[in-house]
Amino acid sequence: DTAVSQTPKYLVTQMGNDKSIKCEQNLGHDTMYWYKQDSKKFLKIMFSYNNKELIINETVPNRFSPKSPDKAHLNLHINSLELGDSAVYFCASSQSRDSNQPQHFGDGTRLSIL
Amino acid sequence: AQKVTQAQTEISVVEKEDVTLDCVYETRDTTYYLFWYKQPPSGELVFLIRRNSFDEQNEISGRYSWNFQKSTSSFNFTITASQVVDSAVYFCALSERWGAQKLVFGQGTRLTINP
Repeated sequence: DTAVSQTPKYLVTQMGNDKSIKCEQNLGHDTMYWYKQDSKKFLKIMFSYNNKELIINETVPNRFSPKSPDKAHLNLHINSLELGDSAVYFCASSQSRDSNQPQHFGDGTRLSIL
Repeated sequence: AQKVTQAQTEISVVEKEDVTLDCVYETRDTTYYLFWYKQPPSGELVFLIRRNSFDEQNEISGRYSWNFQKSTSSFNFTITASQVVDSAVYFCALSERWGAQKLVFGQGTRLTINP
């Protein structure tokens, strides 16, 4: 059983399109995250939700809109895709929002903008 | 502001050699947590270890060991008798107690173990 699963694994699309990435965790965790990994492998947090409430929003363009319908799901919708959005997007979850909790990551979604 | 530096961009060693990956961090918080993650060529991120700032005991898990030194703000990772399967990008990360669980990652060290 996959603990944190993301779909799709690969996403290839044209500039200007709108796309969504879905994430689900079956660990019973309260807190979920989105991270972006750029072409140089640098990982940076984008958003965090705790029990469906947004707790971290790291100066991400408002073309990116996360949505958490329940605490097991955190989706990421991206409007008007740009070339610079090409990256690997990772979803993660942790038991709680306490800083000592390890985060468990999904396998990533590789987004390529043509 | 919190910051993590992994100065070694790439390391290449021959199988069975020991290798140490360096991690230096900056934080103003007195309570914080340090993590290591592994990203193998398949791309997933695997949690390896967490260390609390108030616990300076070193930790060993099989061929892996971690050396936490508050005096030098370092949390280094050593692989003993390296194996080809250890080839991966390794990330050190930091979260502060009051940072709402924001993990700040280092740049990563790409480790290649050659047969």
